[in-house]
Amino acid sequence: EAGVTQSPTHLIKTRGQQATLRCSPISGHTSVYWYQQALGLGLQFLLWYDEGEERNRGNFPPRFSGRQFPNYSSELNVNALELEDSALYLCASRAGTYNSPLHFGNGTRLTVT
Amino acid sequence: RKEVEQDPGPFNVPEGATVAFNCTYSNSASQSFFWYRQDCRKEPKLLMSVYSSGNEDGRFTAQLNRASQYISLLIRDSKLSDSATYLCVVPRDGNKLIFGAGTRLAVHP
Repeated sequence: EAGVTQSPTHLIKTRGQQATLRCSPISGHTSVYWYQQALGLGLQFLLWYDEGEERNRGNFPPRFSGRQFPNYSSELNVNALELEDSALYLCASRAGTYNSPLHFGNGTRLTVT
Repeated sequence: RKEVEQDPGPFNVPEGATVAFNCTYSNSASQSFFWYRQDCRKEPKLLMSVYSSGNEDGRFTAQLNRASQYISLLIRDSKLSDSATYLCVVPRDGNKLIFGAGTRLAVHP
């Protein structure tokens, strides 16, 4: 069974540009979560999608947005990039059950110069 | 008080030692908990779920103390390969999963 896949692995952008990160969940998983992990810091909750809808978001500005497609894959968009957006962006999927754990992809390392 | 708190460590232990980490949480309504391990610059990997009755998986034991609002992870007979950062995960509002900042473990020969 394929795990969570993310693309691209690395992304280099300049300040002010937009970045699009992609995630495909484990087959059968309907929930997708996005986290940001800046260097040396913990995982910060960004967004949660389930059944195509945004269900919850963390304390991030509106320039962080995303969507979930009918096949449950997801996109994270970051507009007007700032230097401090440089981080590892992790996507995770989860089966619909309440007690099920998150399964992470390898992440996209975004560098803003 | 932070929503999820962990001692950042590092915990430096010799091979074969037993080491324990705690993770405290503030939301008393939290129901399901998890421990993950994260190696440097890699994605977190599920170590174990934490059940209310406590659970064991080989050298690893997880416990939940609802009264004091903490979960614990015990590692017996530490191996060099156990060196990593251990993250606890606590749910909020049902499905929003909040990660602790992690506890670093360094096992030395």
